[in-house]
Order: sequence, then C-alpha cells, then structure tokens
Amino acid sequence: RKEVEQDPGPFNVPEGATVAFNCTYSNSASQSFFWYRQDCRKEPKLLMSVYSSGNEDGRFTAQLNRASQYISLLIRDSKLSDSATYLCAVNMGSGSWGKFQFGAGTQVVVTP
Amino acid sequence: NAGVTQTPKFQVLKTGQSMTLQCAQDMNHEYMSWYRQDPGMGLRLIHYSVGAGITDQGEVPNGYNVSRSTTEDFPLRLLSAAPSQTSVYFCASSPQGGQGIETQYFGPGTRLLVL
Repeated sequence: RKEVEQDPGPFNVPEGATVAFNCTYSNSASQSFFWYRQDCRKEPKLLMSVYSSGNEDGRFTAQLNRASQYISLLIRDSKLSDSATYLCAVNMGSGSWGKFQFGAGTQVVVTP
Repeated sequence: NAGVTQTPKFQVLKTGQSMTLQCAQDMNHEYMSWYRQDPGMGLRLIHYSVGAGITDQGEVPNGYNVSRSTTEDFPLRLLSAAPSQTSVYFCASSPQGGQGIETQYFGPGTRLLVL
C-alpha cells in the first residue's frame, strides 16, 4: 500500500462548478501537508499548505482530517485554467524535514 | 534569483553509460532533494540532503549517487544507466524546516531516455 494515495481521476468538471478530492496518508506521525499543482510536463508548483484549522486561498479550500488521516482540496467556481494534476505532499517533520512523500496526483479537467 | 536550475533539459543515454544531472539553487536553502516521476507513480524520492556534506537515501536510491559539497549544488549521478531509469527527474530545494510550513521549490526537470 502506498503511503500517500490519491484518486487519479480524471475529474471532469463543468466550468463554474465545484470539485473536491482527497488524499490519504498512512503515517500518523506526518507533520506537514501541502497541495501542489502540476501542469503537463512541467514542474510541480505549490498551491497551498494545509493547516490544522483548514485554510482558504481564493477559490481553493484545503482541509486536514488527522483522525481519518486525509487532506482535501476543494475548488469553487472552476476555471478552464484550473485544469491540471493536483499532487498532495506530506512531510514527516522533526528529524525528517528533508523528506517529502507525494501522492501520484489527481487529474482535473475543466470543460466549457 | 534564478531559483532552482537543472541541466540538461533532455538527455538520451545508451545502457551502461554514466552521466551527472546538475542541480543548483541560489536561495541559500538547506534542504535539497532529487525525485523521479514516472507515469502513474507520482514523485518518488531518490536522495536528499539536509545540508552541505550530509546526504541520505530516499525511496528509490539504487543506481544513483549524490554528493553535496556546497549549499548551492546537488548533482545526481547515474552510475550505469538502465532503461528502467528512463524518467523525468526533478530537483527541489526548501528552506530549513521546523515550523511545519516550509515547502519545496522545484527545478524545471530533466527528461532522460535510456536506450
């Protein structure tokens, strides 16, 4: 079983709709959580960090559920430009700050 | 700042050849990492470094060597290339952790084909 798992999708979303997807992690000692966006054949870029209390950045909302060991990303009012693969990343924290584990990514396709 | 730079962008090797993928960052980041990305597999950590002179293995270290003689540079060496090493390689750097919110900045990647 992979330590960080994501639904690969694709999630086909009409423009203007809301889409949400999760990322589960297996190690309860995980400390920090992130969502990255990756466009085709490009490097991943940080979308947002995920805080315990949940956080919002414009149309994007990230949540952390430690009890069930997953993080979520919700995109409201989807734009065509939101089409990308979204990777979640987990950092083990103290003693392992250098190590990040990534999910395989969730593909989102926003259609007109 | 140039951020994280990687060279070359593309490379074709024959089985058994060796080569070094270069990675440099100008942000004075302590942490640097090498990943490979294969279809459906996501990013897998090869090696990482928490500072000059300190390296450690990641999830898939076999067939690769690294060294970190300076804060800026973190080259990845393929000792004897195999077709299974055909992949996209990303280098990343991050500032020193400790507050739970530090994250990574990625280079543009090197696409490697081993024949």
